[in-house]
Amino acid sequence: AQSVTQLGSHVSVSEGALVLLRCNYSSSVPPYLFWYVQYPNQGLQLLLKYTSAATLVKGINGFEAEFKKSETSFHLTKPSAHMSDAAEYFCAVSDRSDYKLSFGAGTTVTVRA
Amino acid sequence: DVKVTQSSRYLVKRTGEKVFLECVQDMDHENMFWYRQDPGLGLRLIYFSYDVKMKEKGDIPEGYSVSREKKERFSLILESASTNQTSMYLCASSASSGAGSNSPLHFGNGTRLTVT
Repeated sequence: AQSVTQLGSHVSVSEGALVLLRCNYSSSVPPYLFWYVQYPNQGLQLLLKYTSAATLVKGINGFEAEFKKSETSFHLTKPSAHMSDAAEYFCAVSDRSDYKLSFGAGTTVTVRA
Repeated sequence: DVKVTQSSRYLVKRTGEKVFLECVQDMDHENMFWYRQDPGLGLRLIYFSYDVKMKEKGDIPEGYSVSREKKERFSLILESASTNQTSMYLCASSASSGAGSNSPLHFGNGTRLTVT
């Protein structure tokens, strides 16, 4: 089964600073990879996904992620944080042979004014 | 837009009660999922269904069962609620042409269940 590790349960950034959220997966075969965001009192919504096309994936709200096979990583970045980016972010991996999506433990982002 | 609706936002139940959590999606999706979300553990899959009347165990099915009698509705059942089932429960759906699909999940807003 796939597993995914998110480094850092909490990240605090200043408004306008770079946001970097780390995600590593365990798989010998590149899976499908996703980033989801959860705003307070809401369900999760898709930020972006990697499906083996371009290794740099652009998502909504200015986020992007880069797939690096050699590092088994799929880190999420945003060049300039906004107060509205305060949320919890989840990395998820889907094995290409079954229906399951496995989630990381999540990273909570706070943005300082 | 896909809408996944969970019938209750908050529920408080007593230990030993039978609890039903209902989820309805309006986009004719084949796949439906139940996750529980706990701080520091992320989302863990309880059960999923890839067709009407079909169900598969996820990673933590113990103490739960599910029902999918109609395509749009997926119910999670706690046969005898216990305090360790206090959690946030998230329902999701996805379109799929088969196993290993890259179709994203669409989530409901969650049901926060407290078992006392």
